[in-house]
Amino acid sequence: GAVVSQHPSWVICKSGTSVKIECRSLDFQATTMFWYRQFPKQSLMLMATSNEGSKATYEQGVEKDKFLINHASLTLSTLTVTSAHPEDSSFYICSAQGPRENSPLHFGNGTRLTVT
Amino acid sequence: GQNIDQPTEMTATEGAIVQINCTYQTSGFNGLFWYQQHAGEAPTFLSYNVLDGLEEKGRFSSFLSRSKGYSYLLLKELQMKDSASYLCVSMDSNYQLIWGAGTKLIIKP
Repeated sequence: GAVVSQHPSWVICKSGTSVKIECRSLDFQATTMFWYRQFPKQSLMLMATSNEGSKATYEQGVEKDKFLINHASLTLSTLTVTSAHPEDSSFYICSAQGPRENSPLHFGNGTRLTVT
Repeated sequence: GQNIDQPTEMTATEGAIVQINCTYQTSGFNGLFWYQQHAGEAPTFLSYNVLDGLEEKGRFSSFLSRSKGYSYLLLKELQMKDSASYLCVSMDSNYQLIWGAGTKLIIKP
């Protein structure tokens, strides 16, 4: 089955530093990748949608200069949380969709970010 | 506007059957997905329906009625490990995904 690898699984960083999260589709070409954030006991919140080779589309209220998304290839997207603050602590999840537009999403295992 | 409605929470007994309903309103339609999400984990894909009817996959089945804008996920022979949130996701004519808030399913022994 389709596999999406997300790394790291968890990370602890100091306030003010940047953290990069990688999302790779291992056995299919992901034309679209999605980044979500989920706070405890809440629903997934879509942050941005990215298509290979183009700029990401951010949801309302998500700061694009703070959450940098790069979708450099059909198998890799990265999310960089810049100048992290404690309120950025959350569970970040990526999903990849492809090769067709109506292909199911397959999710990475998520990254638990704690900013101290 | 585009909208997904599903119950917030349901409770069922181990070994029983439960049906989680979902109604959707989208601009056009390119299919409906169901995902399972255990607490603290990422969602996993369960099913995709684009044609009317029932799709069976082991203990889980998913039904779609396009004319009614309605789908359900049927879980049989419930096990404790089925306790999770179940997410209904519709895809519109532009292949944009509209997410339901999820149904938290609690299984009791």
